[in-house]
Amino acid sequence: DAGITQSPRHKVTETGTPVTLRCHQTENHRYMYWYRQDPGHGLRLIHYSYGVKDTDKGEVSDGYSVSRSKTEDFLLTLESATSSQTSVYFCAISKDPNEQFFGPGTRLTVL
Amino acid sequence: QKEVEQNSGPLSVPEGAIASLNCTYSDRGSQSFFWYRQYSGKSPELIMSIYSNGDKEDGRFTAQLNKASQYVSLLIRDSQPSDSATYLCAGWDSSYKLIFGSGTRLLVRP
Repeated sequence: DAGITQSPRHKVTETGTPVTLRCHQTENHRYMYWYRQDPGHGLRLIHYSYGVKDTDKGEVSDGYSVSRSKTEDFLLTLESATSSQTSVYFCAISKDPNEQFFGPGTRLTVL
Repeated sequence: QKEVEQNSGPLSVPEGAIASLNCTYSDRGSQSFFWYRQYSGKSPELIMSIYSNGDKEDGRFTAQLNKASQYVSLLIRDSQPSDSATYLCAGWDSSYKLIFGSGTRLLVRP
C-alpha cells in the first residue's frame, strides 16, 4: 500500500445521499483506477484516468463519476448512493499500462 | 464478454507441497497477465507478471503462460501456511483494461 492512501476507510451512508471517496498517491504515476470488489464478482473496473482531467469508463460505471484535477488525487463520486453500491472500493495506480498497485480499500455500506 | 475464469476453490494442500493455481481467458488479444495475492480483509498485492509464452520464476513462485491454449498458471513450491490467501488472475484485454478472475482460495494445512 506504500504511496497510496484512500479515505475514508469505512463509511456508512443512507440511500440517496451523495458520497465521495478519495484516492491519493505520492508516486507521481500517470494512471489511476477505481475498482469495486463484491463476493462472486471479483474486481470490476469502474473508471480510470490516464492523466490529469483525462478519464474513461470501465465495466461498471453507471451511477459513478470521477474527477482528477491533480496528478496525485482521483475522486470517485456516487451521486445518489443505492444499496447495490455497497461494496469494497479499491484504488490502484500504475506508471504505465502494466502493473497496477492497489490502495488499502474503502468499505462502503449503503443502508 | 471478455472473461478470466478461475476455480473458486478452496484448494487445500499440505505444508511443503506444490500448489497449482490455474486460470483461463477468453480474449485472444490478451498479451500480459498478472497474479495477485489477497489476504482476507486486505488489498490485492501483485506477486507475478508474465508477458510471453513459457515460464517465469521468482523465488518459490513460477508463472506459466500458454497463449495457444489461453491458459495461465501459478505454481507455489514449498507451500507455507502464510501462503493461505485468495489468488487473483488478471489479464489485459485489447483495450488495455485489466480483467480479473474471481479468485481461487488457497489453504495450506500445517
